[in-house]
Amino acid sequence: KAGVTQTPRYLIKTRGQQVTLSCSPISGHRSVSWYQQTPGQGLQFLFEYFSETQRNKGNFPGRFSGRQFSNSRSEMNVSTLELGDSALYLCASSFQDGYEAFFGQGTRLTVV
Amino acid sequence: AQSVSQHNHHVILSEAASLELGCNYSYGGTVNLFWYVQYPGQHLQLLLKYFSGDPLVKGIKGFEAEFIKSKFSFNLRKPSVQWSDTAEYFCAVNARNNDMRFGAGTRLTVKP
Repeated sequence: KAGVTQTPRYLIKTRGQQVTLSCSPISGHRSVSWYQQTPGQGLQFLFEYFSETQRNKGNFPGRFSGRQFSNSRSEMNVSTLELGDSALYLCASSFQDGYEAFFGQGTRLTVV
Repeated sequence: AQSVSQHNHHVILSEAASLELGCNYSYGGTVNLFWYVQYPGQHLQLLLKYFSGDPLVKGIKGFEAEFIKSKFSFNLRKPSVQWSDTAEYFCAVNARNNDMRFGAGTRLTVKP
């Protein structure tokens, strides 16, 4: 079956702009989580959605937001981009609570 | 929220050497534990997982991990590493409601 698909793969934005990233989970998976990966920081948890509801949220400013649609696809939005937002943004889906997460290839965001 | 600590940031070994990567977590309740691997240029993949039962779990590619509840640890081991094991390794803890947190990662370099 198809894996987790993230689009776009690469993105270059200017400070102050906003960006929307998309994630299509594996078919049948209702939980979608988002992470920010930077060198030395590992994966920082952004938020997790289940059946269109945000259940968990990490320690990121309100500029980072997300949503999930009825078909489980998810988007995350970053407004007023800062240079420090440059990172690889990973989306992961899982079938059920506590089960392993399956990751997409990520979206590489560069803010200039 | 739970947190995950990985003790080693960068480990360098020669082929055939034994590997042990430390992982400790802080959460008092029931958790599911995972080790993920990220090979250069590839997405995160599951190495092994622990949900319950035998605390010594075996994963792919000869990796194993031991869950020691009293020490809140889930260390990854491999008796003899290969050059192809060069990658970044992440420990993850998943508590209730799919709130999965990752450690900062350990970069493993295996010299041929």
